[in-house]
Amino acid sequence: GAVVSQHPSWVICKSGTSVKIECRSLDFQATTMFWYRQFPKQSLMLMATSNEGSKATYEQGVEKDKFLINHASLTLSTLTVTSAHPEDSSFYICSARDWGGFSGAAGEQFFGPGTRLTVL
Amino acid sequence: SQQGEEDPQALSIQEGENATMNCSYKTSINNLQWYRQNSGRGLVHLILIRSNEREKHSGRLRVTLDTSKKSSSLLITASRAADTASYFCATAETYNFNKFYFGSGTKLNVKP
Repeated sequence: GAVVSQHPSWVICKSGTSVKIECRSLDFQATTMFWYRQFPKQSLMLMATSNEGSKATYEQGVEKDKFLINHASLTLSTLTVTSAHPEDSSFYICSARDWGGFSGAAGEQFFGPGTRLTVL
Repeated sequence: SQQGEEDPQALSIQEGENATMNCSYKTSINNLQWYRQNSGRGLVHLILIRSNEREKHSGRLRVTLDTSKKSSSLLITASRAADTASYFCATAETYNFNKFYFGSGTKLNVKP
């Protein structure tokens, strides 16, 4: 199956700093990527949809100025947590869907391994 | 959760026994997928079932889908200690199937 990577796999930062997380599709082009957040022992919550060449679409309750998303190319999306605070500590996971044409069929999404953010 | 609930929240069984997890969702869907997540790790895709399918098999996995009840079940037969993980269902909505919404998850513990 297709491979999605994330970098870094973990990061520890001080409160008030900004942290950038990269999500790359390694062997396919992804016009759309998704960012999720997972708190300990909880499920994944969709944060935003990242669209190549256009603005991201954020889910209700997610601050777009706090979580900046840039989808600069067909293989790279970045999530920047600005002015991070301890409550932003979480496991961030991205996913990508291989563009399969105009058949309209929805298929599998490929998930990255996740990035664990700890804000002190 | 954004989409639905899974039950049980936690399940503990002996190796060799079968494990059944249920997922309920709220909206009309294009497909439903099951994922496994080992503690602190990424997701592993297990199986996809489309809205026009009722049952699907993959190795020791059997998934059913009842769109009238907006529910799905995942059966793992002859469980192994290595099956210990959290299991999540994720739904892709009919009119916005690019987005996935995850259920609350079932934490499965298979005792050797």
